[in-house]
Amino acid sequence: DQQVKQNSPSLSVQEGRISILNCDYTNSMFDYFLWYKKYPAEGPTFLISISSIKDKNEDGRFTVFLNKSAKHLSLHIVPSQPGDSAVYFCAASASGNQFYFGTGTSLTVIP
Amino acid sequence: DTGVSQDPRHKITKRGQNVTFRCDPISEHNRLYWYRQTLGQGPEFLTYFQNEAQLEKSRLLSDRFSAERPKGSFSTLEIQRTEQGDSAMYLCASSHRVMTLYGYTFGSGTRLTVV
Repeated sequence: DQQVKQNSPSLSVQEGRISILNCDYTNSMFDYFLWYKKYPAEGPTFLISISSIKDKNEDGRFTVFLNKSAKHLSLHIVPSQPGDSAVYFCAASASGNQFYFGTGTSLTVIP
Repeated sequence: DTGVSQDPRHKITKRGQNVTFRCDPISEHNRLYWYRQTLGQGPEFLTYFQNEAQLEKSRLLSDRFSAERPKGSFSTLEIQRTEQGDSAMYLCASSHRVMTLYGYTFGSGTRLTVV
């Protein structure tokens, strides 16, 4: 049973435009949410996080939005750069111990 | 600090053989995690340690899998009597207990192929 879902396997965006990656979850007990970025042949790299007490967190070009009532979070990248091309995973946890990951969205930023 | 190191990077083994992987976490991190990732999926939690204590294990971790973290430093993951379904990327990660919102630091993984 997939508790964290990323329904878009891939996304293509022009350089300089906004990239929006979406993630849905089913477990209302989740209170920590993370986004990871993964390049081929490397492990995932932590990007940005949000806890359930907030609905928005920004870090430079990256912003994560959390809609608890809809059990939905999104990652906005503005402006998108070719180096952002990677697979992005969202992950959620109820305890901060075990994280449940989505299946990933492959982002391609076209120069 | 050289990050999380995993060894070997790749392992090809025959079905029925035992394999062991090693993970060296970031030295000041007291938590160590093992995840498994198959093609087209996200990482799936296997187990985690806080210092030397194994605190949680997933149902995915069958009796053929065992993990240890002696002295709370490096960890090993052993798979006995490997099966083709064990073929996956095995990821190790570490973190500090109070830094949940800073995420884990993952290693580059060990890719296991069972033939």
